[in-house]
Amino acid sequence: KAGVTQTPRYLIKTRGQQVTLSCSPISGHRSVSWYQQTPGQGLQFLFEYFSETQRNKGNFPGRFSGRQFSNSRSEMNVSTLELGDSALYLCASSLIAVRETEAFFGQGTRLTVV
Amino acid sequence: AQRVTQPEKLLSVFKGAPVELKCNYSYSGSPELFWYVQYSRQRLQLLLRHISRESIKGFTADLNKGETSFHLKKPFAQEEDSAMYYCALLQGNKLVFGAGTILRVKS
Repeated sequence: KAGVTQTPRYLIKTRGQQVTLSCSPISGHRSVSWYQQTPGQGLQFLFEYFSETQRNKGNFPGRFSGRQFSNSRSEMNVSTLELGDSALYLCASSLIAVRETEAFFGQGTRLTVV
Repeated sequence: AQRVTQPEKLLSVFKGAPVELKCNYSYSGSPELFWYVQYSRQRLQLLLRHISRESIKGFTADLNKGETSFHLKKPFAQEEDSAMYYCALLQGNKLVFGAGTILRVKS
């Protein structure tokens, strides 16, 4: 079966702009989580969506937002980009929740803010 | 606060030598712990979780609540084990990751 697909793979944006990243989960998976990976902070949880509702949220500013569609595809948006937002953004999907079933990760979107 | 600590950034061993990747955690309650692995140019993937008590690719990890540790072990390292390893703690439905340890197996 197809894995978790994230688009685009690479993105370069200018400070102050906004960006939207997309994640298509494995077919049938209803939970989608987003993580930010940086050399300094490692992997940090952004938020989790289940059945189009945000179920969990990490400690990121309001500039980071997300949503989930009825087909379980998810997008995350970062507004007013800062240099420190440069990171690899990973999406993970699971059938219901990580607690019950395995989380499968995508390849990530590499965002560079200049 | 819940936290996962992996004290070694890099662990370098020779092929055939035993491997132990350390992981310590702080958590109030019954922890659920995982090891994830990322091979070069591949996506992050689950290696094992403590509740399944499985041995995957020869790796095992035992939860020691007294020492709050969940170290990953393998008796004989192989070159294909070279990768980045992350220990993670489940908090609700989110994973709290350690900083990761690069395992380098030399021939």
